Amino acid sequence: ETGVTQTPRHLVMGMTNKKSLKCEQHLGHNAMYWYKQSAKKPLELMFVYSLEERVENNSVPSRFSPECPNSSHLFLHLHTLQPEDSALYLCASSRDKDVGAGNYGYTFGSGTRLTVV
Amino acid sequence: AQKITQTQPGMFVQEKEAVTLDCTYDTSDPSYGLFWYKQPSSGEMIFLIYQGSYDQQNATEGRYSLNFQKARKSANLVISASQLGDSAMYFCAMRELAGGTSYGKLTFGQGTILTVHP
Repeated sequence: ETGVTQTPRHLVMGMTNKKSLKCEQHLGHNAMYWYKQSAKKPLELMFVYSLEERVENNSVPSRFSPECPNSSHLFLHLHTLQPEDSALYLCASSRDKDVGAGNYGYTFGSGTRLTVV
Repeated sequence: AQKITQTQPGMFVQEKEAVTLDCTYDTSDPSYGLFWYKQPSSGEMIFLIYQGSYDQQNATEGRYSLNFQKARKSANLVISASQLGDSAMYFCAMRELAGGTSYGKLTFGQGTILTVHP
């Protein structure tokens, strides 16, 4: 149990499909993140939500659409994807960096391995 | 801007021996946190160890220790008594804790693949 749950674990979709990735945390964290990890490439930060507001969007194509309905849930809606979008998509959450002392790390989910065919 | 550099794409170690994974960083932030994560082939990112920039002592967590040299801006991970299950990708990361964003951006290095031989 990592504290951050991602579903599904694996997803195969065609280029014309629409699907959604789901991320859920009940750690009391107030920031949530989507990362993309392609083979042999560093982790790429895609989106950041802080207090349910999108605060960062790192030049991600519009075929990726995030949604954060509340502080515990984060979605990534996918449509008209390309084969190069095949990757591991990781969700993470964190506490505000100013809260208390100690470990200010991110907690990650297990990821969704996406294959676009 | 923050930057994390891991110069070892791959490392090999014999089971039961110790191994050091290198990490250097660059930041103008006076307060920051340094992290190491382990990523097995299954994909999840597992937190291993944390070092705060103002911590006087090197962090330790079981078989993991962080060799923090602030003046040299290095934060190497030492794994003692390697086990076969330690074979994975290891990421060094840094989080800004003063100024910058409200959420504290976490910046990752490129990662090092560790292979433990029996």
